[in-house]
Amino acid sequence: KNEVEQSPQNLTAQEGEFITINCSYSVGISALHWLQQHPGGGIVSLFMLSSGKKKHGRLIATINIQEKHSSLHITASHPRDSAVYICAPASGADGLTFGKGTHLIIQP
Amino acid sequence: NAGVMQNPRHLVRRRGQEARLRCSPMKGHSHVYWYRQLPEEGLKFMVYLQKENIIDESGMPKERFSAEFPKEGPSILRIQQVVRGDSAAYFCASSPEIDYGYTFGSGTRLTVV
Repeated sequence: KNEVEQSPQNLTAQEGEFITINCSYSVGISALHWLQQHPGGGIVSLFMLSSGKKKHGRLIATINIQEKHSSLHITASHPRDSAVYICAPASGADGLTFGKGTHLIIQP
Repeated sequence: NAGVMQNPRHLVRRRGQEARLRCSPMKGHSHVYWYRQLPEEGLKFMVYLQKENIIDESGMPKERFSAEFPKEGPSILRIQQVVRGDSAAYFCASSPEIDYGYTFGSGTRLTVV
């Protein structure tokens, strides 16, 4: 069973700050997803990555397969980035395992 | 190419009634997964289905819960004789093959009164 640890659990920052959310997992995986969930809202898949780095707008995700670690970065953060960010490693027949999420609040 | 469609978005049921939640996967996706998110908790896997087959139901309660994904039509998660503890958000995801390219639906929020 994959154990997934996300940090921090809660993060409050000022608009414009650079944000980093970390995810560590215990079992080798084939890919890792970063998901975003707004309060009362649906789940949006931000990234799926299996190596290296991906960038989409102000969001950057990196993964180190050997160290079993991934990070999600947000540059020039904005209040609309306020959401829960969930790390979800995928490992074959076990499917997705979810972290508990990072509650991010960006204050204007 | 519509995404994963879940309906209804909100469902209110009285204790003892049945709840039926529907999930239409993305076109071309034959793998469907159901997850439950209890209030103030993370997502938890319930069941994984392919067309007409349940592949893994290890996360689904043994009683009152069932799931199907028929040859034609949406996947259905059925909860019989609902109790207050079933109140949660239920999310469905689909993928074109196992362990690749998950797309999530917007969820169904079930409230049991």
